[in-house]
Amino acid sequence: GAGVSQSPSNKVTEKGKDVELRCDPISGHTALYWYRQRLGQGLEFLIYFQGNSAPDKSGLPSDRFSAERTGESVSTLTIQRTQQEDSAVYLCASSRWTGGPGELFFGEGSRLTVL
Amino acid sequence: QKEVEQNSGPLSVPEGAIASLNCTYSDRGSQSFFWYRQYSGKSPELIMFIYSNGDKEDGRFTAQLNKASQYVSLLIRDSQPSDSATYLCAVYNNNDMRFGAGTRLTVKP
Repeated sequence: GAGVSQSPSNKVTEKGKDVELRCDPISGHTALYWYRQRLGQGLEFLIYFQGNSAPDKSGLPSDRFSAERTGESVSTLTIQRTQQEDSAVYLCASSRWTGGPGELFFGEGSRLTVL
Repeated sequence: QKEVEQNSGPLSVPEGAIASLNCTYSDRGSQSFFWYRQYSGKSPELIMFIYSNGDKEDGRFTAQLNKASQYVSLLIRDSQPSDSATYLCAVYNNNDMRFGAGTRLTVKP
């Protein structure tokens, strides 16, 4: 497809389980962001990838969160030992880097519910 | 800590009125400023961006930037019920794109 694709769209898990969320950016977009959005809240920055540079992990809330990206392709966000406070929509966005930030194109999000 | 602050609202305006949305930011080195619109249950979509001090107009939308005051605003003229959404201010500096919590706008027919 032409847009940012995220999977799963919905995930219900039990507290303590690990989850993996996937983001497939728009082809040619070198920049990729992950954000977390709790119900009724704004977007909380998690991590940023730009090409082959070291990712900016400054927004990851704890060491239970990690993310990977191979080159300019798919990214996965992993949450280990999930907690109820991890329940949120996880949004991925990609952007074409043109010497500065371009428009962020968002996926539809992965809604995570931790019981 | 890089902060982007917005009034959460809700902001309610009658149809046809001007809606004014405000945003302040703490990182004085911020370079670019964006306004995104998010409908309930949907992902954000870009409305417009601004890099330089002053005003930038696009149709019914005008973004205003004052870097000295660390302030950016969005004006929506001739507001329509379809403009009812949450408006997110985003601020960029050195790979870092930070969003405010958003202002919820309701345009009443």
